[in-house]
Amino acid sequence: NAGVTQTPKFRVLKTGQSMTLLCAQDMNHEYMYWYRQDPGMGLRLIHYSVGEGTTAKGEVPDGYNVSRLKKQNFLLGLESAAPSQTSVYFCASSAATPNTEAFFGQGTRLTVV
Amino acid sequence: AQKVTQAQTEISVVEKEDVTLDCVYETRDTTYYLFWYKQPPSGELVFLIRRNSFDEQNEISGRYSWNFQKSTSSFNFTITASQVVDSAVYFCALSDTGRRALTFGSGTRLQVQP
Repeated sequence: NAGVTQTPKFRVLKTGQSMTLLCAQDMNHEYMYWYRQDPGMGLRLIHYSVGEGTTAKGEVPDGYNVSRLKKQNFLLGLESAAPSQTSVYFCASSAATPNTEAFFGQGTRLTVV
Repeated sequence: AQKVTQAQTEISVVEKEDVTLDCVYETRDTTYYLFWYKQPPSGELVFLIRRNSFDEQNEISGRYSWNFQKSTSSFNFTITASQVVDSAVYFCALSDTGRRALTFGSGTRLQVQP
């Protein structure tokens, strides 16, 4: 009964370091998303994918890259972390049919110092 | 562009009071979907309800009810007889038929005092 799993749950990075956040879903969902949540701003879409091998930019893509090499995995990369990327990151997935909800991972709290 | 506005930043009520969380949305799409999610202090996002743009039937589920009015672009959420366990941040969200990605409001923090 895993659903959407994010790895890691917490991370502290130094400015300029790189890292990859992993999102895995076991529901055979076509669509996957990465959001960031900052205080008072709700969740904002970073990148998304409508299927294996495809990715697209969301509202706040700068400083991030993504890959969807396997249907069940969606990776979010930070090549050179900046303090402005301190946030809580959520991965989500949803089925191809329109009238379905998105399922979210438990979140990754990232601090860049 | 889509937009969701939750004008109430924080609401504090005493247990057993009724409380309504407001949500106003903007979209140019004729077909769209509205959602409410709950984020308790533990941080996860919990799905509560979804509505299609062509289904204005309001819904009651236990202590929860939702009022969708297309004419005013509103999708409000009411908790009847609130409980301490209802304390959380509540997000209203909107998606389209293309990306399916959610556009979130900024959230309303509900505190229910015993």
